[in-house]
Amino acid sequence: QKEVEQDPGPLSVPEGAIVSLNCTYSNSAFQYFMWYRQYSRKGPELLMYTYSSGNKEDGRFTAQVDKSSKYISLFIRDSQPSDSATYLCAMTNTGNQFYFGTGTSLTVIP
Amino acid sequence: GAVVSQHPSWVICKSGTSVKIECRSLDFQATTMFWYRQFPKQSLMLMATSNEGSKATYEQGVEKDKFLINHASLTLSTLTVTSAHPEDSSFYICSARDRPAANYGYTFGSGTRLTVV
Repeated sequence: QKEVEQDPGPLSVPEGAIVSLNCTYSNSAFQYFMWYRQYSRKGPELLMYTYSSGNKEDGRFTAQVDKSSKYISLFIRDSQPSDSATYLCAMTNTGNQFYFGTGTSLTVIP
Repeated sequence: GAVVSQHPSWVICKSGTSVKIECRSLDFQATTMFWYRQFPKQSLMLMATSNEGSKATYEQGVEKDKFLINHASLTLSTLTVTSAHPEDSSFYICSARDRPAANYGYTFGSGTRLTVV
């Protein structure tokens, strides 16, 4: 079983839609949960991070962590064409080794 | 914010030659840098952890003689792909921790697309 599972998509939505991206994981020791955005042929950039369970909001982005279900989500409200990218979830327990999902490819259609 | 500069952004080389990829932390000191490899539609795969002034730690299955890592200073780590073959063609990305006290504070380079022909 993979440490982190993420649906690769692709996901295509109209502009203005609410996007839901998800990851599941198997290691209950994970404490830090991150979402990265990766544009084509670029390195990932940190979008949001969450420690332990709970929600975190930053503008149009909301990250949720449910440790009891080993499930994390990223919601994008009022999606824009500029949000078109691959979104990677990542998690770690110590910060010394990260486990990444495969990434979900998102296209927001104008 | 913290910046990790990675060069070159893309390189095409002939089979059997060596390619060096550089990763520099521009506004912070990185005692540890990580090297990843990414295939299309696949996750980032950690290849090795590079520590300044000491030997790199390689992940299982990664050939240390093929992927030479040098971390000679607090701001520079290099990955050299020796005797490259077409199967080494991939996207290579480095990252460094820019916030020592934070377990999420990692900045990634922009990646290097290597094509071996």
